[in-house]
Amino acid sequence: GIQVEQSPPDLILQEGANSTLRCNFSDSVNNLQWFHQNPWGQLINLFYIPSGTKQNGRLSATTVATERYSLLYISSSQTTDSGVYFCAVAHNQGGKLIFGQGTELSVKP
Amino acid sequence: NAGVTQTPKFQVLKTGQSMTLQCAQDMNHNSMYWYRQDPGMGLRLIYYSASEGTTDKGEVPNGYNVSRLNKREFSLRLESAAPSQTSVYFCASSEARAVNTGELFFGEGSRLTVL
Repeated sequence: GIQVEQSPPDLILQEGANSTLRCNFSDSVNNLQWFHQNPWGQLINLFYIPSGTKQNGRLSATTVATERYSLLYISSSQTTDSGVYFCAVAHNQGGKLIFGQGTELSVKP
Repeated sequence: NAGVTQTPKFQVLKTGQSMTLQCAQDMNHNSMYWYRQDPGMGLRLIYYSASEGTTDKGEVPNGYNVSRLNKREFSLRLESAAPSQTSVYFCASSEARAVNTGELFFGEGSRLTVL
């Protein structure tokens, strides 16, 4: 099955810093999403981005499907950005949505 | 603007008891899913429903049953709870008819402890 690898596993930032989270996947995909799980456990949909670039406020994401990776950019980080960021992909030949192990982000004031 | 609503939020059961987790979505989505999240194991798919009247097994279906009551509702039942079913359960839905395509939206989760 398709493999998903996220890096780094952990990240600590000072408030105001920028960061880039990476998601590598092992095969062609027709679905790629980024989620944020906040410290209260809620899973929030950030981007649906099987290809291309999207921006939403301080967050943006780019997926280069031909090179099998996606990047999530967080600019001017805030303490409310803390939590775990998950990438999830599904193979373009069908199959389940597979979640990466996540990047745990901690933003310090 | 509720989105995906799960009940209950918290539940404690004794081994062997049964319970049903309820999920409802108000976005007129076609597909619905149940996941469990465990430390170190990530999110794993239990069951899914591509459309009203259809259900299929995911990665970890043993010990669970589901029912797609109508387009809005998808319930997950534990017939005889075991400590291994202690977990956080998430319901999700997607507008897409084809399973695992389209954007997925999650409920707030239900924390279940089996003693």
